[in-house]
Amino acid sequence: DAGVIQSPRHEVTEMGQEVTLRCKPISGHDYLFWYRQTMMRGLELLIYFNNNVPIDDSGMPEDRFSAKMPNASFSTLKIQPSEPRDSAVYFCASSRDVTDTQYFGPGTRLTVL
Amino acid sequence: AQSVSQHNHHVILSEAASLELGCNYSYGGTVNLFWYVQYPGQHLQLLLKYFSGDPLVKGIKGFEAEFIKSKFSFNLRKPSVQWSDTAEYFCAVNNNNNDMRFGAGTRLTVKP
Repeated sequence: DAGVIQSPRHEVTEMGQEVTLRCKPISGHDYLFWYRQTMMRGLELLIYFNNNVPIDDSGMPEDRFSAKMPNASFSTLKIQPSEPRDSAVYFCASSRDVTDTQYFGPGTRLTVL
Repeated sequence: AQSVSQHNHHVILSEAASLELGCNYSYGGTVNLFWYVQYPGQHLQLLLKYFSGDPLVKGIKGFEAEFIKSKFSFNLRKPSVQWSDTAEYFCAVNNNNNDMRFGAGTRLTVKP
């Protein structure tokens, strides 16, 4: 398996633009997690899905953030409109079970100017 | 609120020094415990984990961690660090209520 795949690896955009981050989990993993990593706040869980259904989105910072998982092999995290304070590395991870080891993707480094 | 605390934000050691990184959590009941590592420019990967059994867990690259239930701790140790251990280390805890939390991370710098 290729592991968790994320795209793009780097994204530079201007404030106010819409940003879409993509993730392909490992096949057979029923759980998918989105994290944000910044120097100030460390690693934060934003939302996670079980069998394509959002289970806990309490970490989503505000309504500008939304996440979807239309099928078992694809998820998106969208920010609209983006702001400079959204600049961070966004990681996607997947696991077989919520208590099991999570496998992380390479991350998307987002810079909002 | 449930939380995971890593008290050391940045640790600087010389090669061959011993390492201990602290991790404390506030969950009650049964927990699963993890240490992840993020090498410079790379994504997070599992270092070791504890689900049950022997509270002293051996991981990759000579790392180990000890689960002390009475202290709500899962400290990471290595007797002799190498320059290649320079990375950020994250403690993570989940319980059977589907609640997974990561600590803020500890950046380790090993001087050659």
